[in-house]
Amino acid sequence: EVLLVQSGAEVKKPGESLTISCKTSGYTFTTYYITWVRQMPGKGLEWMGRIDPSDSHTNYSPSFQGHVTMSVDKSIGTAYLQWSSLKASDTAMYYCARVGVGDFDHWGQGTLVTASS
Amino acid sequence: QSALTQPASVSGSPGQSLTISCTGASSDVGGYTYVSWYQQHPGKAPQLVIYDVNNRPSGVSNRFSGSKSGNTASLTISGLQAEDEADYYCSSYTSSGTLDYVFGTGTRVTVL
Repeated sequence: EVLLVQSGAEVKKPGESLTISCKTSGYTFTTYYITWVRQMPGKGLEWMGRIDPSDSHTNYSPSFQGHVTMSVDKSIGTAYLQWSSLKASDTAMYYCARVGVGDFDHWGQGTLVTASS
Repeated sequence: QSALTQPASVSGSPGQSLTISCTGASSDVGGYTYVSWYQQHPGKAPQLVIYDVNNRPSGVSNRFSGSKSGNTASLTISGLQAEDEADYYCSSYTSSGTLDYVFGTGTRVTVL
């Protein structure tokens, strides 16, 4: 069974750094891209970017380029999403998903990030 | 790259059919078969219900079907059931700019 399990909810202050994780199992990690999706409170889904776990090559949406960093640890089948300096506007639910053939076929349960002073 | 356009809400009675549209451009919906649909219940993660325009993943009810004409894709739910009440999002691969994918604006389905 393919599973993506995300780390728990986080509460941080603006300006702080944060890394959330997405641990995969049930398939060969390096065979499928991982994507990250943001959902702000009461709003729709936004594609943030994706990473190729085989070589860590990334492609970011212009809306998120320079503000977040995607990475992986192949040895433990885990993807990461990192902020060096959170903003209040980063408050949202973040989902990781496996990229199938033109779709997102398996999703994590989501990580709620709250950035508030 | 703007989001794909969906109606904000649609509603129907149990047993009826309803269709949700998803309008894009030739650089996304119109140019590729990589159109997919996701169902999201409140407080839950999205779930894939249609991929490659009109294919259902294993375990998804055959009451869900998809189609595409030009730059517009559609999701049809037939035999509407209470459990279908949720938000639905389309997505497409895109060749616009540096994006790989774009989502639709989302549609709230209400079962009357």
